[in-house]
Amino acid sequence: DTGVSQDPRHKITKRGQNVTFRCDPISEHNRLYWYRQTLGQGPEFLTYFQNEAQLEKSRLLSDRFSAERPKGSFSTLEIQRTEQGDSAMYLCASSSWTGGEKLFFGSGTQLSVL
Amino acid sequence: DAKTTQPPSMDCAEGRAANLPCNHSTISGNEYVYWYRQIHSQGPQYIIHGLKNNETNEMASLIITEDRKSSTLILPHATLRDTAVYYCIAITQGAQKLVFGQGTRLTINP
Repeated sequence: DTGVSQDPRHKITKRGQNVTFRCDPISEHNRLYWYRQTLGQGPEFLTYFQNEAQLEKSRLLSDRFSAERPKGSFSTLEIQRTEQGDSAMYLCASSSWTGGEKLFFGSGTQLSVL
Repeated sequence: DAKTTQPPSMDCAEGRAANLPCNHSTISGNEYVYWYRQIHSQGPQYIIHGLKNNETNEMASLIITEDRKSSTLILPHATLRDTAVYYCIAITQGAQKLVFGQGTRLTINP
C-alpha cells in the first residue's frame, strides 16, 4: 500500500491557461474522489467515481472543469481557461467498496493562478 | 446528513488528554460519526468512526452520548504532532461523499 499519489505537488499557471492534475489511488480501491480546499476552509466535494463511472458532480464543478477515470484506475482533473478564483488545493481520495466512508487522501496539488 | 458543530479552536498541553467535542443534535439513527484530521500541508487523515458504542483504536477514542446528539474525540496523550484541524462528520454509510465543515483547530503546546 503506497497510498494515494498526486502529481504535481505544486502548479503555478497564468490566467487563461489549461492545467491537468493526476491522481493515482490505492490500487484495490474502486472509489475515487476529488475535493477542493481554500485557505481556512474544509475540503469541498467536487466529484466522485466508482470504477470508471463518474457518479456525482458538485455544482461547484463548472463547465471549465472535467474529470476522467479511464479504465477505473488513475484519474485526471482538468481545468480549462483558469481563473484566479481557481487557486486552491486540489485533493484526491480513494476508498474501497467495503471501507464505508473511510477515505484515504493524497497530499494534494496546490494550484496558484496568477 | 446531519449538521455538526465544533468549536473553531482549542489548545492542549503536550502529554495531556485532548478532548474535542462535536455536536450533532439532528443525527438520525443510521448516521455514523466519523472523525478526520488534517495536518498542515497534508490531506485529511481518517481517525475513527462509530455508530452507538464507544470506540477505541491506536490513534484515539470516540465517546458517543447515549442519545447520540454529541460525541467527544479523545487523544489520550497529545503530542506536538497532533496539532491539526479535526473534522467531525455525521454520515450515512454508502452516502458516497464526505461533507467537511470548518473543524476544530487543535494546537498542542509544549
